[in-house]
Amino acid sequence: NAGVTQTPKFRILKIGQSMTLQCTQDMNHNYMYWYRQDPGMGLKLIYYSVGAGITDKGEVPNGYNVSRSTTEDFPLRLELAAPSQTSVYFCASNQQGTNYGYTFGSGTRLTVV
Amino acid sequence: GDSVTQMEGPVTLSEEAFLTINCTYTATGYPSLFWYVQYPGEGLQLLLKATKADDKGSNKGFEATYRKETTSFHLEKGSVQVSDSAVYFCKANAGGTSYGKLTFGQGTILTVHP
Repeated sequence: NAGVTQTPKFRILKIGQSMTLQCTQDMNHNYMYWYRQDPGMGLKLIYYSVGAGITDKGEVPNGYNVSRSTTEDFPLRLELAAPSQTSVYFCASNQQGTNYGYTFGSGTRLTVV
Repeated sequence: GDSVTQMEGPVTLSEEAFLTINCTYTATGYPSLFWYVQYPGEGLQLLLKATKADDKGSNKGFEATYRKETTSFHLEKGSVQVSDSAVYFCKANAGGTSYGKLTFGQGTILTVHP
């Protein structure tokens, strides 16, 4: 099983550029999440989705946008990249219900210069 | 509000030492509790879980017991190995309006020396 696939693995952006981080899962999970992890720090929730067409903000949504047109895909959009967005971004998914753990992608390491 | 508090690190141990990483939670109702592990350069992996009071989750020699009376889910291992060096995260999944929004604990860095 592929699980959760994130692309790209690495990216360098210039200030003000835009990009989309891709996330796809093949487990038919309803719930999907985007986190960022700054160096030496824990995870912060950016956005999450409980199903196709439904998204909601997490702790740190400013500067990001998401969409969920299908169950499988949950892309994260950065419109005007800033150095503060330099981080490692993780996508995760799980089945509906509190008993289910998350499956994580391998991450996208983004540097904004 | 609902939250998870983890023991601060870093934790440095010698091989074969006993490990405890503390985790306590504050949540409405009775959440499911999880431990995740992150090896260097990788994403998080589910290590173990417990979904109700007094349940014990176990995997790869690690154990954690869901203690409702102390709202805790401490991670333990009797004899750590160098390969256990990683960052460990505690997480609670609560229902209701908090679902999906609860974050992870801040993470505890474990380093095991030969």
